[in-house]
Amino acid sequence: NAGVTQTPKFQVLKTGQSMTLQCAQDMNHEYMSWYRQDPGMGLRLIHYSVGAGITDQGEVPNGYNVSRSTTEDFPLRLLSAAPSQTSVYFCASSIHPSSYNSPLHFGNGTRLTVT
Amino acid sequence: GIQVEQSPPDLILQEGANSTLRCNFSDSVNNLQWFHQNPWGQLINLFYIPSGTKQNGRLSATTVATERYSLLYISSSQTTDSGVYFCAVLAPEETSGSRLTFGEGTQLTVNP
Repeated sequence: NAGVTQTPKFQVLKTGQSMTLQCAQDMNHEYMSWYRQDPGMGLRLIHYSVGAGITDQGEVPNGYNVSRSTTEDFPLRLLSAAPSQTSVYFCASSIHPSSYNSPLHFGNGTRLTVT
Repeated sequence: GIQVEQSPPDLILQEGANSTLRCNFSDSVNNLQWFHQNPWGQLINLFYIPSGTKQNGRLSATTVATERYSLLYISSSQTTDSGVYFCAVLAPEETSGSRLTFGEGTQLTVNP
C-alpha cells in the first residue's frame, strides 16, 4: 500500500513550457485534490475531484487543468508555466470529506521552479 | 467562506516542555483535522477530530465545536516535533462538501 504517490519530486521549467504533475493513490479514495504551498501562505486548494469524471475548481485554479479518468489518478497540468507558479505542489486524497472519519492523506510533494 | 486562525504563529521550546496550539474557526464544522509538516516537507495527518478529544502518544487534541475552536497538546516535546502544524476545516453548508480550508500554521521549533 503506497498511499499517495507524486512524480516528479523536483522540476525546473522555463516560462511558457507545459508539463504534467502526476498523482496516484491506491486506497480507492473517491476524493482527490491538489494544493500549492507558498512561503507564508499556507496551503491553497487548486482543483479537486469527488470521483472519476468529476472535477471542480478550488481557490487558485487559474493556469492549471485537471482531469479524473480513473479513481486512482489525478494529474495536474500546467499549460504555459509562469514564474508565479513556482511553488511546492501537494496532492491529497481521502474518502469524501463530508463523510465521517475522512482523514486526508498527502503525497510527498513536487517542488517546481519556473525561470 | 469559513475563516481559520491558528495561534501562535511561532513557538520555540526547550526539549521536554509542553505546549498548546490553538485553531479558531468562524463557523460550525463537520470535519476538522490537524497535520504536522516536518522539516523535510512531508505532511502527516495527526488527528481527524470534528468534536471531542483524542490522544495518540504524547499528542492529544480537543475540539469544542460549539465554541468554534480546537486545541493540539504536545507533551514532553522532542526535537522531532519541530515543523509546522496545520489545522484544516470543512463547513457543513459548504456547497460541495469538498473544500477543506487550511489555517496558516504554527511553526514549532524544539531545541535540544
